[in-house]
Amino acid sequence: KQEVTQIPAALSVPEGENLVLNCSFTDSAIYNLQWFRQDPGKGLTSLLLIQSSQREQTSGRLNASLDKSSGRSTLYIAASQPGDSATYLCAPQGAQKLVFGQGTRLTINP
Amino acid sequence: EPEVTQTPSHQVTQMGQEVILRCVPISNHLYFYWYRQILGQKVEFLVSFYNNEISEKSEIFDDQFSVERPDGSNFTLKIRSTKLEDSAMYFCASREVGATSYNEQFFGPGTRLTVL
Repeated sequence: KQEVTQIPAALSVPEGENLVLNCSFTDSAIYNLQWFRQDPGKGLTSLLLIQSSQREQTSGRLNASLDKSSGRSTLYIAASQPGDSATYLCAPQGAQKLVFGQGTRLTINP
Repeated sequence: EPEVTQTPSHQVTQMGQEVILRCVPISNHLYFYWYRQILGQKVEFLVSFYNNEISEKSEIFDDQFSVERPDGSNFTLKIRSTKLEDSAMYFCASREVGATSYNEQFFGPGTRLTVL
């Protein structure tokens, strides 16, 4: 059974800093891994999908890496802004379903 | 940009009542999903649906739950007799069918279900 852990649970940094969010998963038999953003009381916005055959995927200030064999993914956010404040969720996908971590609650202070 | 839509945004019901949550997936997508998130907890998979049948379901998805694609555009989740513990945000998602399972899942905004 896939278990997903995200560290840290919460992170508060000043605006402009670069930061790294970590995700680990127990079952390396995945097809892809998605990173999502969730604002309080809102839905899930897909940020990046990284396929199991890829090592990295970039979108703007976001860069996700994947080491499938060790069961780890990181989300790097460059030059953080107050608008980046949200909860970030990682979710590896097996044959069908996504399995979500608890998320990292990120606060960017102006 | 195409998006997944869900109605209603908020549903309040009495314990024991039936509810139907509705979703309109992205038009060329053929895999459909329901997930739920109890307040303060992880997002949990409920069921996946493809080619008019359930392809996978979780242990949460018991006989009280059912899914249906009643026409070419809607995808519904029915809870026959709601319990207090069914209170959660319910998310619908859809995915294209490709040669592999590499495609991204797109999520709707969710329906907040409150059972009193």
